[in-house]
Amino acid sequence: DAGVTQSPTHLIKTRGQQVTLRCSPKSGHDTVSWYQQALGQGPQFIFQYYEEEERQRGNFPDRFSGHQFPNYSSELNVNALLLGDSALYLCASYGRPGNTIYFGEGSWLTVV
Amino acid sequence: DAKTTQPNSMESNEEEPVHLPCNHSTISGTDYIHWYRQLPSQGPEYVIHGLTSNVNNRMASLAIAEDRKSSTLILHRATLRDAAVYYCILRENYGQNFVFGPGTRLSVLP
Repeated sequence: DAGVTQSPTHLIKTRGQQVTLRCSPKSGHDTVSWYQQALGQGPQFIFQYYEEEERQRGNFPDRFSGHQFPNYSSELNVNALLLGDSALYLCASYGRPGNTIYFGEGSWLTVV
Repeated sequence: DAKTTQPNSMESNEEEPVHLPCNHSTISGTDYIHWYRQLPSQGPEYVIHGLTSNVNNRMASLAIAEDRKSSTLILHRATLRDAAVYYCILRENYGQNFVFGPGTRLSVLP
């Protein structure tokens, strides 16, 4: 049973560019959340998707957007990249509310 | 802001028990106490969770104070593979997302 899978694992972008990160939730899970983790800090909640709609959002600007597909997979898009967007981006998924939340290994984004 | 406070770092010797404390003085009656750990270059991994009673699983034990304002994660015999950042998180009943603090960085010495 595959867990949460994310791609790419590492990527380097230039300031001002746009990036798309992808996530496949654990089998049987229909809710996906995205987190940003800067070096040395705990993950910070970006937003959550359920039934192909954004349900909750953390304190992140509109440059951060997402999408969920009918197969429950999800994308995180970041426009107009800033140096401060360099971080580990984590995807998490769960099934029924209250069930254990599982995290992927993350995508390391470096903005130069 | 995170609703929990943890020591920044702790050290343990291999094969000895480790007690990782967490304070959550503002916990509400519906908040579950969750522990996750994050090994280097990996995503957070579920360890254990509880509401009021002490809990045990194959990875660890969770001791919850009677007033629920603090809890302790217990690793019975630390191994080198247990070196990680441990996060104590309050999750509202059926809450869907976590507010992480900086966690406790556990070092295990051989």
